[in-house]
Amino acid sequence: EPEVTQTPSHQVTQMGQEVILRCVPISNHLYFYWYRQILGQKVEFLVSFYNNEISEKSEIFDDQFSVERPDGSNFTLKIRSTKLEDSAMYFCASSEAEGLQISYGYTFGSGTRLTVV
Amino acid sequence: AQKVTQAQTEISVVEKEDVTLDCVYETRDTTYYLFWYKQPPSGELVFLIRRNSFDEQNEISGRYSWNFQKSTSSFNFTITASQVVDSAVYFCALSEARGTDKLIFGTGTRLQVFP
Repeated sequence: EPEVTQTPSHQVTQMGQEVILRCVPISNHLYFYWYRQILGQKVEFLVSFYNNEISEKSEIFDDQFSVERPDGSNFTLKIRSTKLEDSAMYFCASSEAEGLQISYGYTFGSGTRLTVV
Repeated sequence: AQKVTQAQTEISVVEKEDVTLDCVYETRDTTYYLFWYKQPPSGELVFLIRRNSFDEQNEISGRYSWNFQKSTSSFNFTITASQVVDSAVYFCALSEARGTDKLIFGTGTRLQVFP
């Protein structure tokens, strides 16, 4: 079964450093997403991306964050200057079609746990 | 505005008991989708079910069943004869069928099944 792959599974970074989280979506998918889950809390939408541009972003997704699909296969989330409160699990997801026309909606990756110290 | 409420923060049961996880949602749209995801201790999000707003039929999959009631805006999830492996956090989520289809998650219910 096709998978969304996220690397690394765990990253520790110092406050103020830049970090890039990487995702390889399923190859024929067109819509890409990042979600965040602070430990013990709910999963929150960050950003959606389609046709090489951001479709929608949440209030959380401020100027510190950016996304890119640099080479047609990877989908990255960059946090420019990390803060302690950026510590969370970050999930990448992809979907094939708009309107969740497929029965399973998204496919989520297994997440990257980011720890800012 | 969209909202998903899972009022039960944590539920503990003994193996073989039945357990129901509640989910209440709010949306102004007439077309929307509802989901349940399981998050085991390993942290990944495991898709369980997706329901669209036009399909109010209840669904059963093995020990899992879902009760969708539009009249009460609820989409409850029942595990029959629970097992220790069912221990996880369960999230209900809502997506409107337009725009970018972002998922709005509830706060989750932690289910602990004791042997």
